[in-house]
Amino acid sequence: GQNIDQPTEMTATEGAIVQINCTYQTSGFNGLFWYQQHAGEAPTFLSYNVLDGLEEKGRFSSFLSRSKGYSYLLLKELQMKDSASYLCAVRGGDYKLSFGAGTTVTVRA
Amino acid sequence: GAVVSQHPSRVICKSGTSVKIECRSLDFQATTMFWYRQFPKQSLMLMATSNEGSKATYEQGVEKDKFLINHASLTLSTLTVTSAHPEDSSFYICSARDRASGTWDTQYFGPGTRLTVL
Repeated sequence: GQNIDQPTEMTATEGAIVQINCTYQTSGFNGLFWYQQHAGEAPTFLSYNVLDGLEEKGRFSSFLSRSKGYSYLLLKELQMKDSASYLCAVRGGDYKLSFGAGTTVTVRA
Repeated sequence: GAVVSQHPSRVICKSGTSVKIECRSLDFQATTMFWYRQFPKQSLMLMATSNEGSKATYEQGVEKDKFLINHASLTLSTLTVTSAHPEDSSFYICSARDRASGTWDTQYFGPGTRLTVL
């Protein structure tokens, strides 16, 4: 089975940086994904890591350490529109995605 | 980027009726589609994996006779919730995997269908 943990909520100020951590224990590993989900909408893809290290994509970066079963999503220069739920998802040996419960990020002015 | 559509986006039905939800990949072929369910303030839970031309694979605890899945073509999968009850009210989301994407492949999500059973 899969066990994926991430914080429930985080709050930050507009323009700041927030780091969302995700730890996982899975049977098999074929990549880790981060998705953004606004209330009532489907998730949208943010990043994908399959090798250790940092992947940078504009204001969003994602890091993976496979030996530690750990990833983080870094959101820089926060904007109000970044208020959303951020989902960590691990693709297991069977290529199915298992999602964490999501981290609700609230950006305050 | 790849686009996945779902229809309807929102449906309200009476208890005991059946509801069909369509999931289409608009600009790519999807040999595999996935159906998820998301209850309020919870994460996505995989219900079943739908493979074109074969029977769907259901996750543990998901009744295959209640949630009928048909993947008749490379661009269309349908989920039918049979004899729906209020506890089936949820946000149903499909995703599709691009068969041509190779090792770097992700699932593209549809916009979701909000089902409310009265």
